[in-house]
Amino acid sequence: QSALTQPASVSGSPGQSITISCAGTSSDVGAHNYVSWYQQHPGKAPKLMIYDVSKRPSGVSNRVSGSKSGNRASLTISGLQAEDEADYYCCSYAGTSTYVFGTGTKVTVL
Amino acid sequence: QVLLVESGGGLVKPGGSLRLSCAAAGFTFSDYYMSWIRQAPGKGLEWVSYISASASTKYYADSVKGRFTISRDNVKKSLFLQMNSLRAEDTAVYYCARDLVGGTFDYWGQGTLVTVSS
Repeated sequence: QSALTQPASVSGSPGQSITISCAGTSSDVGAHNYVSWYQQHPGKAPKLMIYDVSKRPSGVSNRVSGSKSGNRASLTISGLQAEDEADYYCCSYAGTSTYVFGTGTKVTVL
Repeated sequence: QVLLVESGGGLVKPGGSLRLSCAAAGFTFSDYYMSWIRQAPGKGLEWVSYISASASTKYYADSVKGRFTISRDNVKKSLFLQMNSLRAEDTAVYYCARDLVGGTFDYWGQGTLVTVSS
C-alpha cells in the first residue's frame, strides 16, 4: 500500500487560510469516508484534528475543517496562528483492514 | 483522563527481537481496538498493526507481516508488540494508539524508540 500524497510544505501568514491536500486512490480515500488528519509538533505524539473526513473532536479549534472530493481529501486551517506551525498527516482506511498515512506536510507560519 | 504509556524500546542487533508494551488507563480498555504506529527518524507515520477489542482479529502492514505479532491483555489493560527478525528499517519511534472505526486514532502514547543497529 503506497502512502497518500501530500505537499511537502505549505506556508501562510498569520490570519490567512491554508489548505493541505491528500491525494489517494479509488481504493482508499475515494472508497470510504474514513479520512482523518493529525497534527504533530516536533518531538511530540500526533494529535487527532479531523476524523470521518470532516468531523472535529471535542477541543479542536473550529478554525480547522476537512473535506473530500473523489480521491482527494483536504484540510483547511483558517485564521492561521503561530501555534498551527507543525507537521500534518492525513490517514485513510485502505481496505482489507489496513490503514495508510500521507507523506506529511510541514506548515510554516511566516 | 486517557493515558497510554509505551515501554520496551531500546537498541537491538539486526535479526534480534524486542517486545514493546503499552499500558492503558482512564478508559475501558477492553471496549476498544488498539493499534501500533511507527515513525522512522525524520520520516512520516506508518501504521503497523491493529487488534480488535477481544483480540479475535489482528491485521498487519505488509512490511511487518510474519515478523511482528500484536497481542493484548484486557485484564492488565496492556497492549503488546512482539518484534522478531528485526531489520535496520524497523528503526523508529513506536506509538500505541486507541483505534476507533476506520483508522481514527484518538489517543496516542508518547512513543518508545527502537533502534536496530549492529
